[in-house]
Amino acid sequence: AQSVTQLGSHVSVSEGALVLLRCNYSSSVPPYLFWYVQYPNQGLQLLLKYTSAATLVKGINGFEAEFKKSETSFHLTKPSAHMSDAAEYFCAVIPNAGGTSYGKLTFGQGTILTVHP
Amino acid sequence: EPEVTQTPSHQVTQMGQEVILRCVPISNHLYFYWYRQILGQKVEFLVSFYNNEISEKSEIFDDQFSVERPDGSNFTLKIRSTKLEDSAMYFCASSLGLTFFGPGTRLTVL
Repeated sequence: AQSVTQLGSHVSVSEGALVLLRCNYSSSVPPYLFWYVQYPNQGLQLLLKYTSAATLVKGINGFEAEFKKSETSFHLTKPSAHMSDAAEYFCAVIPNAGGTSYGKLTFGQGTILTVHP
Repeated sequence: EPEVTQTPSHQVTQMGQEVILRCVPISNHLYFYWYRQILGQKVEFLVSFYNNEISEKSEIFDDQFSVERPDGSNFTLKIRSTKLEDSAMYFCASSLGLTFFGPGTRLTVL
């Protein structure tokens, strides 16, 4: 069964600092991978996705993630944090079955990002 | 930009009561889902729906839960007899390749 692990339930950075949120998956076949963001009292918004194309994926709001098969990782980064990035971030996977990227998402436990002035 | 909408945003109910959570998926999407997030926990898959039938469901989705697409636009989740542990944020989602989520309905069971 697919599983996703997000290392660190809370990450705190200063405004302008690098953001690094970690995600590892367990699957013999690289799945489709996603990062979602949840702002307070809002739903889940798709940040970016990996679907077997380029290993470095750029998303919205300056975020990007790099798929590393050897490390079974899909870490999310942003070079310079902004106060508005404070939110909870979820890594999620869908099994890669026949080239379709829809299906049941399995989520990690989430990482709360705090940005200090 | 098309979006998934959900009503109500908040629902408070007494234990044992029935609730219906409503969703309007993105119009050309074919796959519909319900997920839930208990406070402080991860987002969990409940059920997926395709071609007017359930395509997959989790262990959480027991006999007290049901889903329906009564017309061409709405997608509902019914909880027949609510329990305290059903208190959670319920997210509807739809997909035609990428999955888009609604804003959620916060269900509180007293």
